[in-house]
This record gives sequence, structure tokens and C-alpha cells, in this order.
Amino acid sequence: EAQLVESGGGLVRPGGALRLSCAASGFTLSGYEFNWVRQAPGKGLEWVSHISSSGTTIYYADSVKGRFTISRDNAKNSLFLQMNSLRAEDTAVYYCARERAYSNGVLALWGQGTLVTVSS
Amino acid sequence: DIQMTQSPSTLSASIGDRVTITCRASQSISSWLAWYQQKPGKAPKVLIYKASTLESGVPSRFSGSGSGTEFTLTISSLQPDDFATYYCQQYNSYLTFGQGTKVEIK
Repeated sequence: EAQLVESGGGLVRPGGALRLSCAASGFTLSGYEFNWVRQAPGKGLEWVSHISSSGTTIYYADSVKGRFTISRDNAKNSLFLQMNSLRAEDTAVYYCARERAYSNGVLALWGQGTLVTVSS
Repeated sequence: DIQMTQSPSTLSASIGDRVTITCRASQSISSWLAWYQQKPGKAPKVLIYKASTLESGVPSRFSGSGSGTEFTLTISSLQPDDFATYYCQQYNSYLTFGQGTKVEIK
């Protein structure tokens, strides 16, 4: 069964850094495009970043551009999100999500999410 | 950037009701629209993509329609498992989600 499992969340002080990981199982990471989506407590969904299957095409939301870096290691079947210069407004559950094959942009497989709390 | 606006924000309905949620895009997105269902503490689940294509395994009481800037999600007969929050999402240019519609028990 295809599955995504995020890890790396936690409590961090404003200005700090955190690296999230997303481990894939039950399928080969290299065949798919991925995104990170976040959800602040009690709020809606916000797209954060996208990476193509090869890793050569990357996009970011304006709210994280210049602070967050998405990457992938197809050999390790893992996706990453390096988050620097964290702010209180970055507090959220972060989900990694796999795009549907042949339907780019449709998020068909999600992880369970990892909570990032930015607070002093 | 493309903005997505859902209405209503909250909807109270009874079992068996026909429910319709509307999603409007700030510019034309053709049919590049998906609908998701999210229950508390869980990740979202895709219901419909390309405005009207039902994802495999999703009950046929869910349907989607629309193109351009106006879209609807319809639940033909509301079931107990359907009380949740629903989000539309455009994928014409990057990704943008609507603010969500919470479907509550009346």
C-alpha cells in the first residue's frame, strides 16, 4: 500500500530552523511530483512548495520564498523541506502530498502531517 | 495569483439532504479544479478532479460541475460519514485552495 510518513516537526524559536522529511513506501518516489501543504491550527489549507519528479522544477509560495527549500532524494525514497528563519505564522501541520499520475496538481496521496510550532 | 472563494463557509444539513457548495476562481482556470474532504485531525482526501471526474473509490453521491470561474460540488444525499470540511483547489497556475466549507449536522 502506498504511504507517506512525515517527520521532523517540533517546537522551534522564531528565527530558528527545522528540516522536515517525508518517507515514501509502497511506490517509487521518482515517478511522481510532490508538494508540501500546511494548515495552521483551526485554519484552511495553504500550498507551500512543489518539486518535479526529477527535482529540476521547483516552485514556492510567496510566503516562504527565500526561507524554505524543497528537495528530494529519489534513491532514498524521501522528500524534504528545509525551513529557515521561521516565524510564528509558520506554525502549522505540514503535509507532504503526492500528485496524481497523469493529473499534475491533483494531490491524491497525503501523509498524516507533522506539527511545527514556532514560539519563544 | 489566482484566488479561490468558497460559499458558504458553514452549511447545516440533515441526513438525506442534497448539498451544494460553490467555488469561484478569480480568473479562468478551465477545468483544473479539485475537491477535497477533510475530517478533524486527518489529512485531506481527494474526491473529484478536473472539475467533474470522480476519484476512484469515492461514492457516486459526490459530483462536481463547472468550468472557467464557477464550480460546484454536490452531495446528492448526505450521509453520516459526509460531515466534514470541503476544500476546492485550483491547479491551473501553481496551487490555491479555497477557504473551506464546513458541513455540520442540522
